[in-house]
Amino acid sequence: DSGVTQTPKHLITATGQRVTLRCSPRSGDLSVYWYQQSLDQGLQFLIQYYNGEERAKGNILERFSAQQFPDLHSELNLSSLELGDSALYFCASSVGAWETQETQYFGPGTRLLVL
Amino acid sequence: AQTVTQSQPEMSVQEAETVTLSCTYDTSESDYYLFWYKQPPSRQMILVIRQEAYKQQNATENRFSVNFQKAAKSFSLKISDSQLGDAAMYFCAYRLRNTGTASKLTFGTGTRLQVTL
Repeated sequence: DSGVTQTPKHLITATGQRVTLRCSPRSGDLSVYWYQQSLDQGLQFLIQYYNGEERAKGNILERFSAQQFPDLHSELNLSSLELGDSALYFCASSVGAWETQETQYFGPGTRLLVL
Repeated sequence: AQTVTQSQPEMSVQEAETVTLSCTYDTSESDYYLFWYKQPPSRQMILVIRQEAYKQQNATENRFSVNFQKAAKSFSLKISDSQLGDAAMYFCAYRLRNTGTASKLTFGTGTRLQVTL
């Protein structure tokens, strides 16, 4: 158990809908990262937050957004869902923003299926 | 942009034997980290081993060790005394150090390891 929690574990929804994925980082970790794992794109970085502020963006679609709250949990919002958004979404956390804490610990993931 | 390549989509090893998974990467940076993550059927991403690029000594964690060749940009994982529980997808990953900005992980496409009796 990495100490990172994600809810829900599974999510089934329809095209055009909106969903919210939730992540709680390990105790003491200030950075949260979101990754998408799909069959065709592999594991891709989406976005990073550090202590409530957006730190970096990767290949995140405009239909997707995220935020990190004062209690440090994070939510990833996916809207206008398409079939191709079906994937496993991971949240990871680390203590710092970059060089001081280099290891990211992953949550169990949320499996999203868009029908 | 940094890229990570795992050229072996699948590997197989007999229980108690040794197997080596390959990984190469491309970067113009000199200061970075390399990782191997394991993803079993449960889909959890588990850190196996970490290597700092500024360290010449190869990292070791119990039965897992790496062969880090910085000049060749190669980072292979050796699993000794393979066990059935080692069966999983293994991902090689790269991360810049001291970037001041993004500390994202860049992953390879993975190698599926089968362990047979």
